Amino acid sequence: EIVLTQSPDFQSVTPKEKVTITCRASQSIGSNLHWYQQKPDQSPKLLIQYASQSFSGVPSRFTGSGYGTEFTLTINSLEAEDAATYYCHQSSSLPWTFGQGTKVEIK
Amino acid sequence: EVQLLESGGGLVQPGGSLRLSCAASGFTFSSYAMSWVRQAPGKGLEWVSAISGSGGSTYYADSVKGRFTISRDYSKNTLYLQMNSLRADDTALYYCAKGMVGGVIVPPDYWGQGTLVTVSS
Repeated sequence: EIVLTQSPDFQSVTPKEKVTITCRASQSIGSNLHWYQQKPDQSPKLLIQYASQSFSGVPSRFTGSGYGTEFTLTINSLEAEDAATYYCHQSSSLPWTFGQGTKVEIK
Repeated sequence: EVQLLESGGGLVQPGGSLRLSCAASGFTFSSYAMSWVRQAPGKGLEWVSAISGSGGSTYYADSVKGRFTISRDYSKNTLYLQMNSLRADDTALYYCAKGMVGGVIVPPDYWGQGTLVTVSS
């Protein structure tokens, strides 16, 4: 099973600041890494697919990068509505796995 | 607009059974893989099962293999998850999710709102 480890677990950020979340895989997964945003009491929403492809309708301040074992989700100029938990997810091999989540709080 | 509406959750005793349903609309149901993902209270996401668009390929997490069965009904545009021999650690919010474009089994793009399963005596 591929283990995904996100860092940090929690981040408190002021609006307009830049946020960087890292996801490390226990073995190479190519570009089969996706990012989801989950706001409190809501279902997850896809932000980035296949490491760097923005999903339809996602604001351009959300970008993804990486390949192999190290990936990054960047939120440029954080907005109050971005308060959420962010999860990375690998679909390289079964069982599909998720990172433990990174909670982003707005100061 | 893609819509996924789960139902069938509830309180069940350990060892019991439940069948979850997910009514899909807004897309060509037979063209997309579908998945179930669960989230225990206050915890992260855990993939449970996936099924190809044709229904010919199914996959399960080890934690549910042999106890859960995923299936789909094309006449009703509905995804199912039959859950047997339920245990306390199956307690979670169960999400139905539509697969991305392309591939036999692909990760989710759209998710439903979830249905809560509680296993307790």
